[in-house]
Amino acid sequence: DTGVSQDPRHKITKRGQNVTFRCDPISEHNRLYWYRQTLGQGPEFLTYFQNEAQLEKSRLLSDRFSAERPKGSFSTLEIQRTEQGDSAMYLCASSLRGGMNEQFFGPGTRLTVL
Amino acid sequence: EDKVVQSPLSLVVHEGDTVTLNCSYEVTNFRSLLWYKQEKKAPTFLFMLTSSGIEKKSGRLSSILDKKELFSILNITATQTGDSAVYLCAVNTGNQFYFGTGTSLTVIP
Repeated sequence: DTGVSQDPRHKITKRGQNVTFRCDPISEHNRLYWYRQTLGQGPEFLTYFQNEAQLEKSRLLSDRFSAERPKGSFSTLEIQRTEQGDSAMYLCASSLRGGMNEQFFGPGTRLTVL
Repeated sequence: EDKVVQSPLSLVVHEGDTVTLNCSYEVTNFRSLLWYKQEKKAPTFLFMLTSSGIEKKSGRLSSILDKKELFSILNITATQTGDSAVYLCAVNTGNQFYFGTGTSLTVIP
């Protein structure tokens, strides 16, 4: 399968714990995006990378969230000291560079914080 | 502030009906507008629009963009139950994709 993959698909954690998600983009795509989606809402932008550089980060993103893409391939999203409000679907997408290219989404990681 | 607004929020139709979904946007640096279909999983790509007035068509689905009035429509003709989904509109500004909240379409047999 050469699409975007995410791991794990589901994560249940207790409030206060740290969690880390992984995204593997389509191999030739140099842009990688993280989104959060809650029920009844469209995906909300969190951050994006071009190769290994994190070029933009949402102003709404708490300091508890951090993302990396160390070698310009896979990316990780870490949430520290999780809160119940962090419960959501975390989507990763990748695209080729530029404004004329569509995004391809991974299946998402569903996080539940108890 | 950049934003994308979709209407209606939800729609219930009978099989065979034609529906029109709306997406209006206000962004500082428009590059393209995209439509996605989302069932109970991640969004899947439908169309990308960059030029005004040029209709994109795929089977029973079609879409058009008006860059002067800053909106796009997605038409679905002869709807089927398999069209039931949330339809998302997104605008690419080069650095970000801004999504609307989506239109939830339910097609009743």
